[in-house]
Amino acid sequence: AQSVSQHNHHVILSEAASLELGCNYSYGGTVNLFWYVQYPGQHLQLLLKYFSGDPLVKGIKGFEAEFIKSKFSFNLRKPSVQWSDTAEYFCAVIRDSNYQLIWGAGTKLIIKP
Amino acid sequence: NAGVTQTPKFRVLKTGQSMTLLCAQDMNHEYMYWYRQDPGMGLRLIHYSVGEGTTAKGEVPDGYNVSRLKKQNFLLGLESAAPSQTSVYFCASSYTGSTEAFFGQGTRLTVV
Repeated sequence: AQSVSQHNHHVILSEAASLELGCNYSYGGTVNLFWYVQYPGQHLQLLLKYFSGDPLVKGIKGFEAEFIKSKFSFNLRKPSVQWSDTAEYFCAVIRDSNYQLIWGAGTKLIIKP
Repeated sequence: NAGVTQTPKFRVLKTGQSMTLLCAQDMNHEYMYWYRQDPGMGLRLIHYSVGEGTTAKGEVPDGYNVSRLKKQNFLLGLESAAPSQTSVYFCASSYTGSTEAFFGQGTRLTVV
């Protein structure tokens, strides 16, 4: 079955540290890839997305992600995190022939001030 | 522009009671979805709709029913609530099946 794996369920960092959250998916065909963020008590919001073209995509709030097709990965990065980045981050994948977003389990990120 | 609006935001039900969650979107999106979010499990798709008058089962449809009588509304019904349905429910909509989804604020449901 197709799946999306997020390697870390909880990450704790200090402000100004660099961030990388892993995401791997198991489907080998054409995919659309997303990172969503859920701030405490709020709904999910899109951080960034990849459909085609440049595999390095930039999103809001200084986040970026790199699609590496050979590794089936779409890792999220930020060079210097802030306390306000404390949230839960979800990776999601849509296959070309499917209407359904397949979600990772999420990574809870806590930034210590 | 309200986006995706869910009502109610909170609800406590007794086992066996029924209720309907309402989702409304004002973006003229064709696709609408109902998810449940449980700790450590990400989001799981309950049902979805690819247009007015159509519905389809997702990953975890048992115990739920849906209707899409109007393009802008997608209703999720629980006919006989069970404690296992305690969760946070999110509605989402998208323009097509492969574009980004926009989410509502969520409904926190507790079944006692």
